[in-house]
Amino acid sequence: SQTIHQWPATLVQPVGSPLSLECTVEGTSNPNLYWYRQAAGRGLQLLFYSVGIGQISSEVPQNLSASRPQDRQFILSSKKLLLSDSGFYLCAWSVRGLHGYTFGSGTRLTVV
Amino acid sequence: GQSLEQPSEVTAVEGAIVQINCTYQTSGFYGLSWYQQHDGGAPTFLSYNALDGLEETGRFSSFLSRSDSYGYLLLQELQMKDSASYFCAVRDPGTASKLTFGTGTRLQVTL
Repeated sequence: SQTIHQWPATLVQPVGSPLSLECTVEGTSNPNLYWYRQAAGRGLQLLFYSVGIGQISSEVPQNLSASRPQDRQFILSSKKLLLSDSGFYLCAWSVRGLHGYTFGSGTRLTVV
Repeated sequence: GQSLEQPSEVTAVEGAIVQINCTYQTSGFYGLSWYQQHDGGAPTFLSYNALDGLEETGRFSSFLSRSDSYGYLLLQELQMKDSASYFCAVRDPGTASKLTFGTGTRLQVTL
């Protein structure tokens, strides 16, 4: 069966510190991968998506970057966090033939 | 670009029926999806409509009218556990299958 792992679950980081969030998928090959951010009580904003290894597309200009070093691994990074980077970060995957996304359990990031 | 509108909050009584509407404006359309998200949790996929009409999955049904750029999620026999946020999402026709989500509707089920 297909599963998605995302960690850590919660993170408190000081302003100016680096960030690395990791997401891995099991049980499927060549998935589309996505990073979303959700502010408190708000909708989901697409940050990055990837259709293959090394292929990253950014949806909004920001202080973050993404990488896909392996087929089933997606990493969200920042060199220097801002207060505005706080939020709930969600990784998701989809494949052709399936209509829904499967989301990871999310990382709640608080920048202080 | 894509934009979707939903009511921000809906309240209904346990056992009742509730309808959550979604209107969208898109530059491309490949289907309307619905997701449920409980507080602190991740969104989970509920339903998908690519063509006009009603899709039924147990107590939940979803409807789409492409000519009206409108859809709704219908929840029947409401249970307390249905209290959650519900998001509609439009799928991009490109190969990346990107989803643009609505602002979400918070459903509160009361006794």
